[in-house]
Amino acid sequence: SQQGEEDPQALSIQEGENATMNCSYKTSINNLQWYRQNSGRGLVHLILIRSNEREKHSGRLRVTLDTSKKSSSLLITASRAADTASYFCATDDPGGYQKVTFGTGTKLQVIP
Amino acid sequence: GVTQSPTHLIKTRGQQVTLRCSSQSGHNTVSWYQQALGQGPQFIFQYYREEENGRGNFPPRFSGLQFPNDSSELNVNALELDDSALYLCASSLGGASTEAFFGQGTRLTVV
Repeated sequence: SQQGEEDPQALSIQEGENATMNCSYKTSINNLQWYRQNSGRGLVHLILIRSNEREKHSGRLRVTLDTSKKSSSLLITASRAADTASYFCATDDPGGYQKVTFGTGTKLQVIP
Repeated sequence: GVTQSPTHLIKTRGQQVTLRCSSQSGHNTVSWYQQALGQGPQFIFQYYREEENGRGNFPPRFSGLQFPNDSSELNVNALELDDSALYLCASSLGGASTEAFFGQGTRLTVV
């Protein structure tokens, strides 16, 4: 079963605009990660945020985490056509082993 | 990086298949995921130092092996049409908060 749900399911923006994706999850976590997937191929790790962090930046990416609401957001600033991909949040399993549970994904299209 | 083989595979219902993964050097943990079209990856199982370390909601006909040389296998017996999916392996150093590195996946089609 999917732990997280991304919102929106699909997003279409113009190049240069910002893109915001949200993720909600159900159980407690140690950390939350965001991944990008191009055209149904392998996933690329973007950023990891720990449960005791509220915000993290990496280049044009900004991730926030609100553990009280069990939600996270990914902001991509100044989007580029190359950012077109599916984006997934993934949460770990605090039960002891490193199972990663993925959400349903947001499909982002950046129009040149 | 993490490499998977083959990239594409077509099998007939009822057959058996073996998918291979070569982990990033030094990583002691490998996880396998199944991703159906339009869905997020679903956790199949994880191996840590050649022992199964956790399993998702998949039947026993999905099995795996991890070898000391950074390679691993996913075996699926008695293939069903619903097994058609992208199969991804991911390697990591293990632990609660470490980044997983994914291969490009094997696209399996069962006809």
